[in-house]
Amino acid sequence: EAGVAQSPRYKIIEKRQSVAFWCNPISGHATLYWYQQILGQGPKLLIQFQNNGVVDDSQLPKDRFSAERLKGVDSTLKIQPAKLEDSAVYLCASSLEGLSSNTGELFFGEGSRLTVL
Amino acid sequence: AQSVTQLGSHVSVSEGALVLLRCNYSSSVPPYLFWYVQYPNQGLQLLLKYTSAATLVKGINGFEAEFKKSETSFHLTKPSAHMSDAAEYFCAVKEGGYNKLIFGAGTRLAVHP
Repeated sequence: EAGVAQSPRYKIIEKRQSVAFWCNPISGHATLYWYQQILGQGPKLLIQFQNNGVVDDSQLPKDRFSAERLKGVDSTLKIQPAKLEDSAVYLCASSLEGLSSNTGELFFGEGSRLTVL
Repeated sequence: AQSVTQLGSHVSVSEGALVLLRCNYSSSVPPYLFWYVQYPNQGLQLLLKYTSAATLVKGINGFEAEFKKSETSFHLTKPSAHMSDAAEYFCAVKEGGYNKLIFGAGTRLAVHP
């Protein structure tokens, strides 16, 4: 079974530039997550999709971050304009279950490491 | 809101020694608790989970964790460390009705010969 695919693995940009990350979840997984992992910290949820609808985006800095999952499959996370503090690893994860599930098992991709200079 | 606190950002053990990684949680409802492991340059992988069944949970690679409600703890242990256990370990708690996980800051485990 193919895992969660993310690209690019590494990206270096200057502040005020824009960047986009792509994620393809495991086939059939209804829920997709974007987490931000800053060096030395645990992952922080940015946005959670259930199929193509947003379940939680309370910690997404909406003035600069946006994400979409138009067809309920793959997703794109965009940052525009980037700030120095956006340097982090952006992790995409997916889970099979829907709203009624309580297992909490997420499958993570390898992440996209962003460096903002 | 739920939260988890991991005591010790770095833990170093000798190969063959006991591994103990500490996690305390804060939750107003019976929690669902998880340990994830992250090897260098890889994503997180589920190690084990507690979902209100047995309080002693066994996971992959010989790890286990015990849920102690009275101590609000969910510490991760392994009787004998192996070099391949060197990684970062994250404790997490499920929040709300969806599969939203709140992660601790992580503990980096080093295993030396």
